[in-house]
Amino acid sequence: GAGVSQSPRYKVTKRGQDVALRCDPISGHVSLYWYRQALGQGPEFLTYFNYEAQQDKSGLPNDRFSAERPEGSISTLTIQRTEQRDSAMYRCASSLKAGGWANEQFFGPGTRLTVL
Amino acid sequence: AQRVTQPEKLLSVFKGAPVELKCNYSYSGSPELFWYVQYSRQRLQLLLRHISRESIKGFTADLNKGETSFHLKKPFAQEEDSAMYYCALTHGSSNTGKLIFGQGTTLQVKP
Repeated sequence: GAGVSQSPRYKVTKRGQDVALRCDPISGHVSLYWYRQALGQGPEFLTYFNYEAQQDKSGLPNDRFSAERPEGSISTLTIQRTEQRDSAMYRCASSLKAGGWANEQFFGPGTRLTVL
Repeated sequence: AQRVTQPEKLLSVFKGAPVELKCNYSYSGSPELFWYVQYSRQRLQLLLRHISRESIKGFTADLNKGETSFHLKKPFAQEEDSAMYYCALTHGSSNTGKLIFGQGTTLQVKP
């Protein structure tokens, strides 16, 4: 079956523009996570959805970042007024059940965002 | 503060040599520990988790609560083990399962 997909795979934008990154989780997966990975660092948690409910957004760095998952499936991470420091790999992951440490997270290929 | 530290950015060994990728963590509660791996041009994927006490692709990892470590070991490295390895933790009773990752270690196995 298809794994987690993300689009676009690469996004180059100019400072000040808004960008929307899409994640399509594995069908039937309840949990969805967004992580951000700067060059040379490990992934850093941004936000978590249980179905359509955003249950943890503690990792979103500021109010320019928002995420939604309106129908409990596809999710969009939006960054408004992008800045050069937003340049990173944005990773999405999904897992079958709601939260919990025992649930394996399956990662997508990531979206490489470059802000000029 | 919750933190995972992987002190080596790069570990280079010859094929057949033993491998140990170090991971230390700082966490006040009862964490669950994982190793994730990313092979070239592939996705980040789970390698093993401490609760399963399993050996995957010849790799094992033992949780040492006294030393707050979760080092990944393999007795005889293979060229196909070359990849980026990330140690990660989550809270043992987490209701979200969010992961805290280390900085990663690149393992290079030379022929």
